[in-house]
Amino acid sequence: QKEVEQDPGPLSVPEGAIVSLNCTYSNSAFQYFMWYRQYSRKGPELLMYTYSSGNKEDGRFTAQVDKSSKYISLFIRDSQPSDSATYLCAITDYKLSFGAGTTVTVRA
Amino acid sequence: SQTIHQWPATLVQPVGSPLSLECTVEGTSNPNLYWYRQAAGRGLQLLFYSVGIGQISSEVPQNLSASRPQDRQFILSSKKLLLSDSGFYLCAWRTEMVNYGYTFGSGTRLTVV
Repeated sequence: QKEVEQDPGPLSVPEGAIVSLNCTYSNSAFQYFMWYRQYSRKGPELLMYTYSSGNKEDGRFTAQVDKSSKYISLFIRDSQPSDSATYLCAITDYKLSFGAGTTVTVRA
Repeated sequence: SQTIHQWPATLVQPVGSPLSLECTVEGTSNPNLYWYRQAAGRGLQLLFYSVGIGQISSEVPQNLSASRPQDRQFILSSKKLLLSDSGFYLCAWRTEMVNYGYTFGSGTRLTVV
């Protein structure tokens, strides 16, 4: 069983739609939960992080963690074409474990 | 401010040739350093990590090796490349004190032909 499972996508949405991305994880020892955004042929960049259950907002982005269900989500409101990228969830104890990534396309 | 440099950006190498990818970090000391590989359509796979000079931990047995000759330098090597070594190689660093603060380089796209 993979440590982190992520919906593979790809996902295509119209501009202005809400994008919903999800991951599940298996190790309850994981402490930090992150979302990275990766544009084509670039390295991933940290988008958001959290370490507790609940919601964390940053502008149009909301990260949600449910430790009891070992489930994390990222929501993008009012999506823009510039949000088109691959989104990777990542979870860490002493090392970073990534999901496979979901490629999102926001159509203008 | 801290920056991470990774080169080259693109590399095409024949099967059986050697490999050396270099990563350097500026603006910090004693970082934890990581090499990841990303195959097409797949997530990032941790290859090696280092918590200090000369200290290398391997996560996946394979045709590659890593070295850390200086505090802020991390090198990924191979003596003889295989076709299966093709992929996108990423170097990353973080400080010991910030568990979530991984910063990635811009990556090297390696194609073995």
